[in-house]
Amino acid sequence: LAKTTQPISMDSYEGQEVNITCSHNNIATNDYITWYQQFPSQGPRFIIQGYKTKVTNEVASLFIPADRKSSTLSLPRVSLSDTAVYYCLVAGGGGNKLTFGTGTQLKVEL
Amino acid sequence: ETGVTQTPRHLVMGMTNKKSLKCEQHLGHNAMYWYKQSAKKPLELMFVYNFKEQTENNSVPSRFSPECPNSSHLFLHLHTLQPEDSALYLCASSQDRFYEQYFGPGTRLTVT
Repeated sequence: LAKTTQPISMDSYEGQEVNITCSHNNIATNDYITWYQQFPSQGPRFIIQGYKTKVTNEVASLFIPADRKSSTLSLPRVSLSDTAVYYCLVAGGGGNKLTFGTGTQLKVEL
Repeated sequence: ETGVTQTPRHLVMGMTNKKSLKCEQHLGHNAMYWYKQSAKKPLELMFVYNFKEQTENNSVPSRFSPECPNSSHLFLHLHTLQPEDSALYLCASSQDRFYEQYFGPGTRLTVT
């Protein structure tokens, strides 16, 4: 079971870069790493997905080291609207079940 | 977003009632999921369907009964629920089982 571990909460200010790290020591060869954002009383929203090295899209970057036992979601220049819970999900054909971790509550202030 | 819709959005039911939650996806996906999210807790995966076949049942009590008649529709039948079953029930779909998931807005269920 690819259990994930994330910080429970993080605080930041508008305009700063935020990096949220997820540990997944039991990641399997076929597992992908996916990050989601969730606002209160809404379903999670896909942010980014990767397998190794670095992935970048219009909202975030995902850094994955060679051993793939951790990953870091990078949010450039956060704003108040980025205040949400961020989940790291590790799953794939390696037999690991789809398990969301406890998530990281990001709070962005002025 | 209208990719994944859920009805009803809110439901209050007694412990002896029988009700059903409905999920519909308009994305042409092959996998569909039910999640439970209790207050201030992470999502708990309940069931997974891939090409209409159930592939995961994460030790969910039998008072929750899923049904997937086709790849676009997913139901969660509820009967004799307990107050601790009150939660936000989320439906999601994805192209295949491990691809990015698209979530619906959820059904807020209150069991009295």
